[in-house]
Amino acid sequence: ELKVEQNPLFLSMQEGKNYTIYCNYSTTSDRLYWYRQDPGKSLESLFVLLSNGAVKQEGRLMASLDTKARLSTLHITAAVHDLSATYFCAVDRPFGYGNKLVFGAGTILRVKS
Amino acid sequence: GAVVSQHPSRVICKSGTSVKIECRSLDFQATTMFWYRQFPKQSLMLMATSNEGSKATYEQGVEKDKFLINHASLTLSTLTVTSAHPEDSSFYICSARVGRASSGAFFGQGTRLTVV
Repeated sequence: ELKVEQNPLFLSMQEGKNYTIYCNYSTTSDRLYWYRQDPGKSLESLFVLLSNGAVKQEGRLMASLDTKARLSTLHITAAVHDLSATYFCAVDRPFGYGNKLVFGAGTILRVKS
Repeated sequence: GAVVSQHPSRVICKSGTSVKIECRSLDFQATTMFWYRQFPKQSLMLMATSNEGSKATYEQGVEKDKFLINHASLTLSTLTVTSAHPEDSSFYICSARVGRASSGAFFGQGTRLTVV
């Protein structure tokens, strides 16, 4: 059974600082997704990572995927208050095992000014 | 980008009544729609998966007679919460996907259900 673990679950950081959120998963997969959720809102797609070594960047966020280590990271550079949200990673099951995404528990990020 | 519209965004209903939530894929045909429930500060809990034209597959512990799902077309799925009780109050989110497309799943805006 595919399990997805995120850490940390809660992250309080100062503006201007850097930090990384980790997403580990338990079985082979070559597809990983990062989503953002603001309070009271639904999920917004941030990144789609489709191969080993994939790296995507958007503004102060950069996501990478290492399929051999079964690890994805979401790196935050010089955090700003607007990045405060909950971040989820989600992993696709291997081909042939359906199309449900398996979500991590989420990381609540609070950026303090 | 692909758009999924979920309606209503908020609903308040009385105990014992039923509530229907709609989920529409506006610019693509979704072969699969997923229904989630989310409690405060928690992750998404998958309730059921529905494929167009077939019965929904419910996750363990989800009462199929209470949470009726219909996926009548490639662009519309509905979740009906029957005989709602206060413990059904929650944030319900749908998502839609085209098969196992590499774009992943697209999410509706969510519905905040409050049962009084």
